[in-house]
Amino acid sequence: DTAVSQTPKYLVTQMGNDKSIKCEQNLGHDTMYWYKQDSKKFLKIMFSYNNKELIINETVPNRFSPKSPDKAHLNLHINSLELGDSAVYFCASSQESGRPGGSGNTIYFGEGSWLTVV
Amino acid sequence: GENVEQHPSTLSVQEGDSAVIKCTYSDSASNYFPWYKQELGKRPQLIIDIRSNVGEKKDQRIAVTLNKTAKHFSLHITETQPEDSAVYFCAASPLQYGNKLVFGAGTILRVKS
Repeated sequence: DTAVSQTPKYLVTQMGNDKSIKCEQNLGHDTMYWYKQDSKKFLKIMFSYNNKELIINETVPNRFSPKSPDKAHLNLHINSLELGDSAVYFCASSQESGRPGGSGNTIYFGEGSWLTVV
Repeated sequence: GENVEQHPSTLSVQEGDSAVIKCTYSDSASNYFPWYKQELGKRPQLIIDIRSNVGEKKDQRIAVTLNKTAKHFSLHITETQPEDSAVYFCAASPLQYGNKLVFGAGTILRVKS
């Protein structure tokens, strides 16, 4: 009964490959996110979706493409992987609607996906 | 945009002592300030949060204070225990971006027994 689950947990792949990370939440939340945590532990938001609609799109290379088939799922596809993409990618969700002016609600993180590009 | 600075980057305390982690933020419109704890190899988990209409909030050994005028907020852990050892992140949510949390760089807390 994991609240936010993401797969795979570990992924080792070669440069130039294309890979996907899947995420699902069973909390009934309407907003989902992708965060990247680099080797220095810095957590940075990449994308935010509210009810399948893209709300936040930070300065992320076009090689990263999120897809939300429904509000319980937010997948991350990465094309042409580079060494610098190696990081832990956290999916997360919250009840906050994501609209500007929102008051902020608890964000629940998934277990993380450790991506290593060799 | 919002910028959150967190200090110190590492903190070592003796078991039973108190630990204080401080954060400053730049956007005066931010109104939501959560603290997350991340154990090694695990996900960040919320431990306490505070909103801009409250100056202080306490939950057992953990307390958070907020000074909106000075744009800073702090995490206080009393009677520290070895299991408090982790990385702690503060965050701030700018009002105009809904729930876009901007995180501080994290503080590695080590509690020595």
